[in-house]
Amino acid sequence: IQLTQSPSFLSASVGDRVTITCRASQGISSYLAWHQQKPGKAPKLLIYAASTLQSGVPSRFSGSGSGTEFTLTISSLQPEDFATYYCQQVKGYPLTFGGGTKVEIK
Amino acid sequence: EVQLVESGGGLVQPGGSLRLSCAASGFTFSIYAMSWVRLAPGKGLEWVSTISDSSGSIFYADSVKGRFTISRDNSKNTLFLQMNSLRVEDTAVYYCAKKLDTFGQVYFDYWGQGTLVTVSS
Repeated sequence: IQLTQSPSFLSASVGDRVTITCRASQGISSYLAWHQQKPGKAPKLLIYAASTLQSGVPSRFSGSGSGTEFTLTISSLQPEDFATYYCQQVKGYPLTFGGGTKVEIK
Repeated sequence: EVQLVESGGGLVQPGGSLRLSCAASGFTFSIYAMSWVRLAPGKGLEWVSTISDSSGSIFYADSVKGRFTISRDNSKNTLFLQMNSLRVEDTAVYYCAKKLDTFGQVYFDYWGQGTLVTVSS
């Protein structure tokens, strides 16, 4: 199952609403996660089951979608949110990730 | 506090071998599936392998099948990745990751800091 993220690069300002899209090559129900990764750091789980916020993750992050189209939304971008975001499908093996979306400061 | 600490990375020539370890603490290691994921320079995350809690089920990416072997020692709370016949394209930071729940799908809720494997002559 291939995952296509868009955009691959995003330039935004603090306070902006940001939306990242992930499209699956076939239906994956709600078996999708979103991870955040900063340079030199371990990835961090943000959202699982398409829309469930992982414990400790700020409520400005939200996920939606099912089937083949999913979105990650950051309602008001904060300085610590500048990072690369990956979607990941867990419907079946091989597990796959999207190509990533790098969010940079405008 | 959940901690995953990888070790064993380094510089190796093409065709060589390395064994990575991931020491786990802060949770009941023996009841969770574990995985390896890698991040190659300039690329995105790539899932490598997953092993179930009892080692009864094991899965590999096609890119490593037949060359890499995942295993675990539940008595020592440690996950392993034996990497043989290494290729330049295996160069990456390798992360171990813990499964979110003891049931259901393989979501990764905790990741280690990673260990760098460089394959070069």
